[in-house]
Amino acid sequence: EVQLVESGGGLVQPGGSLRLSCVVSGFTFSNYWMSWVRQAPGKGLEWVANINQDGSEKYYVDSVKGRFTMSRDNAKKSLYLQMNNLRAEDTAMYYCFTFDMWGQGTMVTVSS
Amino acid sequence: DIQMTQSPSSLSASVGDRVTISCRASQDISNYLSWFQQKPGKAPKSLIHAASTLHSGVPSRFSGSGSGTDFTLTISSLQPEDFATYYCQLYKSYPHTFGPGTKVEIK
Repeated sequence: EVQLVESGGGLVQPGGSLRLSCVVSGFTFSNYWMSWVRQAPGKGLEWVANINQDGSEKYYVDSVKGRFTMSRDNAKKSLYLQMNNLRAEDTAMYYCFTFDMWGQGTMVTVSS
Repeated sequence: DIQMTQSPSSLSASVGDRVTISCRASQDISNYLSWFQQKPGKAPKSLIHAASTLHSGVPSRFSGSGSGTDFTLTISSLQPEDFATYYCQLYKSYPHTFGPGTKVEIK
C-alpha cells in the first residue's frame, strides 16, 4: 500500500522555524520527483517546491525562496521542508505529493 | 510566470449531468497539465496527467482534453461522490502553478 505521511507541523511564532517531514512507503521513492504543496485555510492549492530524484535540482515558489529548503534522504525514504523566518502568510496545510500520490497533510500555523 | 485561470469558479449540477470545467494557461504549455479533485477536509486526489491520461483507478466518466493554452475536464455523468473542488496545474515550467479551482455543488 502506498503511503505518504507528513509530520512536523504545529504552532510557531512569526520569524520562527519548523522542519516538515514526509516518510513514504509502498513505492520506489528514489525514482520520483517530489513536491510540497500547501493550502491556506479556505483557499486553493499552492505549489511550494520540487526536488528531483537525487536532490541535485530544487525549485521554489518566489514567496518562499531564501526561507524554505527542500531536501530528501532516499535511504530513509524521506522528504523534508526546512522552513525558516516563517510569516503569517505561511499558515497552511502542507502536503507532500508525487505523480498520483498524496499525503494527508500537516498543518502549520504561524501566529503570535 | 505562466498564469492559470479556471471557469466557472463554481457550478451547480444534478446527479447524471454532464459537467465541463475549463482551464486556461497564459502561455503555451503543450500538454503539461494535470487535474485534481479535492473534497472538504481531505487531501487532493490526482485524476489526470498529460492533459488527457487518467491515473490508475480513476473512473472513466472523467476525461480531459486540450493542448497549448486551453484545456477541459469533463465528467460525463455526475455522481454523488463527484461533488468537490477541481484544480488544474501546469508542469511545463516553474512555478508549477495551480488554477484557482472550480467548486462543483449539488443543485
